[in-house]
Amino acid sequence: AQKVTQAQTEISVVEKEDVTLDCVYETRDTTYYLFWYKQPPSGELVFLIRRNSFDEQNEISGRYSWNFQKSTSSFNFTITASQVVDSAVYFCALKAHGSGNTGKLIFGQGTTLQVKP
Amino acid sequence: DAGVIQSPRHEVTEMGQEVTLRCKPISGHDYLFWYRQTMMRGLELLIYFNNNVPIDDSGMPEDRFSAKMPNASFSTLKIQPSEPRDSAVYFCASSIRGQVTGELFFGEGSRLTVL
Repeated sequence: AQKVTQAQTEISVVEKEDVTLDCVYETRDTTYYLFWYKQPPSGELVFLIRRNSFDEQNEISGRYSWNFQKSTSSFNFTITASQVVDSAVYFCALKAHGSGNTGKLIFGQGTTLQVKP
Repeated sequence: DAGVIQSPRHEVTEMGQEVTLRCKPISGHDYLFWYRQTMMRGLELLIYFNNNVPIDDSGMPEDRFSAKMPNASFSTLKIQPSEPRDSAVYFCASSIRGQVTGELFFGEGSRLTVL
């Protein structure tokens, strides 16, 4: 079975604080892809990042960074120096190789991040 | 380039009425997905198409739900008759085969309220 768990339902921080969103996944496939999507208050889902299972190198993009650890089946997302505009629901998602290139994603329940001024 | 376009953005209807949601995928994308988002169940895949053919409809809740894709640029999700528990945001997404990463591009969603 494939599953994505985002244990943090809601997080509230004050602007400029760093915040880490946790994501734990389950899959029996050896080839898979992990994603993060952002859903701002306007409602659309915005793609942030993808990683494949063979690339455990951490990635940084501006204030965003991702820590992929296969040993713990985790793909955590850190926002450095958070801003009010980061307030959104963040989803972690998994696509196993068995679903080919179709993009069939299994989503976590999402973490609501509130950044207060 | 235009993204995935969904209509209507908001729909309020009464129980028992027929609801039709529409989606125009990104041009050139050959996969189309319908997802439903609720507070209780999160984001669920309902059905997806490849080259206009339904591939997996195992997520469709029941016979009241049906989806069609008559051509590469248009898909509909129909609920007949609608029930209050169908209230949710329905997302359409598209992707392109050959893009190994399988990134999905989502529309802005259709918020359905069934009274």
